[in-house]
Amino acid sequence: DAGVIQSPRHEVTEMGQEVTLRCKPISGHNSLFWYRQTMMRGLELLIYFNNNVPIDDSGMPEDRFSAKMPNASFSTLKIQPSEPRDSAVYFCASSPDRGNTGELFFGEGSRLTVL
Amino acid sequence: AQSVAQPEDQVNVAEGNPLTVKCTYSVSGNPYLFWYVQYPNRGLQFLLKYITGDNLVKGSYGFEAEFNKSQTSFHLKKPSALVSDSALYFCAVRDDGGANNLFFGTGTRLTVIP
Repeated sequence: DAGVIQSPRHEVTEMGQEVTLRCKPISGHNSLFWYRQTMMRGLELLIYFNNNVPIDDSGMPEDRFSAKMPNASFSTLKIQPSEPRDSAVYFCASSPDRGNTGELFFGEGSRLTVL
Repeated sequence: AQSVAQPEDQVNVAEGNPLTVKCTYSVSGNPYLFWYVQYPNRGLQFLLKYITGDNLVKGSYGFEAEFNKSQTSFHLKKPSALVSDSALYFCAVRDDGGANNLFFGTGTRLTVIP
């Protein structure tokens, strides 16, 4: 299995631009998580889906952030408009069992820099 | 509310010596506890977990962790450190109440000195 696949690995954009991050979870996993990692705040859960349905989006910073999971094999995290404070590494993770056992499988991350 | 504390930002240990990375937690119900490792420019990798049963849990790469309920701790240990163990280590917790959110600590950077 290829693991969780994220794209792009690196994105540099200017303030105000729209950013779309993509994730392909491991086949057969029914839970998907989006995390953000920064030096200041560590690892934060933004949103998670179970069977393509958003379960908890309380970690989404504000309305500029949105996430979708149109099918079991694809999810997007969109930031519009982007701001410099959004610069971070964004991780997608999937789990086969709603994450109950805590065994999340992480992608390599998308490093976002907003100038 | 759940919380995890990793009191040390940085731990340095000589190769071949035992290592300990500390973690304490707070949950409202019974804890599910986890350790993850992150190598540079990579995602987090699962190391080990405690759900129930034996307080000493063995995981990948020779790591183990001991659950101590009275001290609300779940320290990560390895008898003999390798240079390749140098990485960022995260402790995580969730309670058994059904919420699926894993709450991560701030991470401890382990450096093993040759």
